[in-house]
Amino acid sequence: AQRVTQPEKLLSVFKGAPVELKCNYSYSGSPELFWYVQYSRQRLQLLLRHISRESIKGFTADLNKGETSFHLKKPFAQEEDSAMYYCALSSVNQGGKLIFGQGTELSVKP
Amino acid sequence: NAGVTQTPKFQVLKTGQSMTLQCAQDMNHEYMSWYRQDPGMGLRLIHYSVGAGITDQGEVPNGYNVSRSTTEDFPLRLLSAAPSQTSVYFCASSSPGQGRHEQYFGPGTRLTVT
Repeated sequence: AQRVTQPEKLLSVFKGAPVELKCNYSYSGSPELFWYVQYSRQRLQLLLRHISRESIKGFTADLNKGETSFHLKKPFAQEEDSAMYYCALSSVNQGGKLIFGQGTELSVKP
Repeated sequence: NAGVTQTPKFQVLKTGQSMTLQCAQDMNHEYMSWYRQDPGMGLRLIHYSVGAGITDQGEVPNGYNVSRSTTEDFPLRLLSAAPSQTSVYFCASSSPGQGRHEQYFGPGTRLTVT
């Protein structure tokens, strides 16, 4: 079965500390992995996708097929990073369908 | 470009009432989806569509109907509201031709069923 697991409901760090939001998935085949972010009172928006291998707002995420993980990392957290983060999975052949993890609320304290 | 729009923003229903949540997009996207967001459960797919006239069920379709008569619109109908349908509902659209399944989300509709 396709599944995305984010084990942490809440992650609280101080400004300047490193951040790692965990995401594990189960999928038979070649999935596409994404990180979406929802800032307070805003709509969900795409943060990263694994195929782009890019850094957005200082965040990076590497797909580890051996460990079936797609953890989101940032070396120095900023207060404006406080938000809800969702890891999501899509099949290459199933456009329009995303399977989301439970979400992790990141709180960055001054 | 308005992107994805949803109406209403808030709605309170009594058990047994029916209503339609509206969703529209002006990006000419083929794919449209409805999700519900519940605390601790993330977003779950209700229904989706890969084009006008084509819809399919997602993970939690019971109690909801959809239709896709045009590319732009994808309304979600609650047939007989139940308290378990209290949630925040998000509509999203995407296109396989750009962004490789990047989904664009609407602002959400917060529904309370009493």
